[in-house]
Amino acid sequence: GQSLEQPSEVTAVEGAIVQINCTYQTSGFYGLSWYQQHDGGAPTFLSYNALDGLEETGRFSSFLSRSDSYGYLLLQELQMKDSASYFCAVAGNTGKLIFGQGTTLQVKP
Amino acid sequence: ETGVTQTPRHLVMGMTNKKSLKCEQHLGHNAMYWYKQSAKKPLELMFVYNFKEQTENNSVPSRFSPECPNSSHLFLHLHTLQPEDSALYLCASSQDVTGEQFFGPGTRLTVL
Repeated sequence: GQSLEQPSEVTAVEGAIVQINCTYQTSGFYGLSWYQQHDGGAPTFLSYNALDGLEETGRFSSFLSRSDSYGYLLLQELQMKDSASYFCAVAGNTGKLIFGQGTTLQVKP
Repeated sequence: ETGVTQTPRHLVMGMTNKKSLKCEQHLGHNAMYWYKQSAKKPLELMFVYNFKEQTENNSVPSRFSPECPNSSHLFLHLHTLQPEDSALYLCASSQDVTGEQFFGPGTRLTVL
């Protein structure tokens, strides 16, 4: 089967750096995605890694190691507006995205 | 605005009612999805349509009935729902089934 694991909650202060890890088990692998969801809102796409390495988009970076079935989302210079839930998602042989349970990030002043 | 719209945004219905949720995407995508999101749970995929054909029914009870008349519109018909069906129902679309998904704002459903 397919499964993803990520921490349920992370807390950090404004200006800090936080890393949200995701490990996955999947039959086949097309890529690892990250989505952000604010309370009461819809998930929005943040990043996608199909190959090993680091992808950087502004304050957010995402990393993938296919050999370790592991990835992470790195958020730098944290702002209060970054408080949200972050989901990793994997597309495998089933041809559909499977989402992790989500990590709630709380940014404190 | 993600290019995916959903109506209604909020819906309260009794267990004997019949209602429909509507989703429309203006992105020219080929795949559309229904997800259920309950409190403290991950997104649960319900249905996938690819080129208007249903390719996935994730063991969803028959009281939920999807319809995809064309590649831009997706409906979820609801009848004789249970209180545990109360949740946020999200529609999404993507260019292909493994690509980035664009989500609508969701319909907050409450079943009394």
